[in-house]
Amino acid sequence: QQQVKQSPQSLIVQKGGISIINCAYENTAFDYFPWYQQFPGKGPALLIAIRPDVSEKKEGRFTISFNKSAKQFSLHIMDSQPGDSATYFCAASNNAGGTSYGKLTFGQGTILTVHP
Amino acid sequence: NAGVTQTPKFQVLKTGQSMTLQCAQDMNHEYMSWYRQDPGMGLRLIHYSVGAGITDQGEVPNGYNVSRSTTEDFPLRLLSAAPSQTSVYFCASSQPGQGNSPLHFGNGTRLTVT
Repeated sequence: QQQVKQSPQSLIVQKGGISIINCAYENTAFDYFPWYQQFPGKGPALLIAIRPDVSEKKEGRFTISFNKSAKQFSLHIMDSQPGDSATYFCAASNNAGGTSYGKLTFGQGTILTVHP
Repeated sequence: NAGVTQTPKFQVLKTGQSMTLQCAQDMNHEYMSWYRQDPGMGLRLIHYSVGAGITDQGEVPNGYNVSRSTTEDFPLRLLSAAPSQTSVYFCASSQPGQGNSPLHFGNGTRLTVT
């Protein structure tokens, strides 16, 4: 059972364009939604994260939009650069009690390619 | 700091063989976990530990054992390798008490079972 569904599976964007990756979740107990970025041969690394008490969070060119009623969240990469080419994973966790114990439920991943 | 170190980077096993994937972290993190990454499946949690001597199962624990005798080390044992265990394995660590502290991942072990 895939509790976090991510789309698209792959995405090709021209340099300077906007990359948009979408995720939907089922478990209403999820209360923490991070995005991880993974380069080939490396482990994933935290990019940006959001809690459900806000609808948007922006860090530089990266923005998370969150829609609690629809149980959806998305990553927007503005002014996409070739260096952004990587695999992106959305994730979710339930932090009841103040911690998730390091357990995340990941989406399927999106391979982003930014052409120069 | 080295962060999270995984060895080996690559491994080929024959069906039925056993092996241990090593994971060590030097950040004094309490939480450690093992994930497997498969195409189209994302990362799935195998086992996790909230401290030395304490482990629990994740989403896909069958065929794997773990132990946590020290804070630093969290090895993953494959008891009798099967082709379905062909995957990339990632170890991660994190620290409680800092809100939602990020997972720090190693660079993975690519395992092929023939």
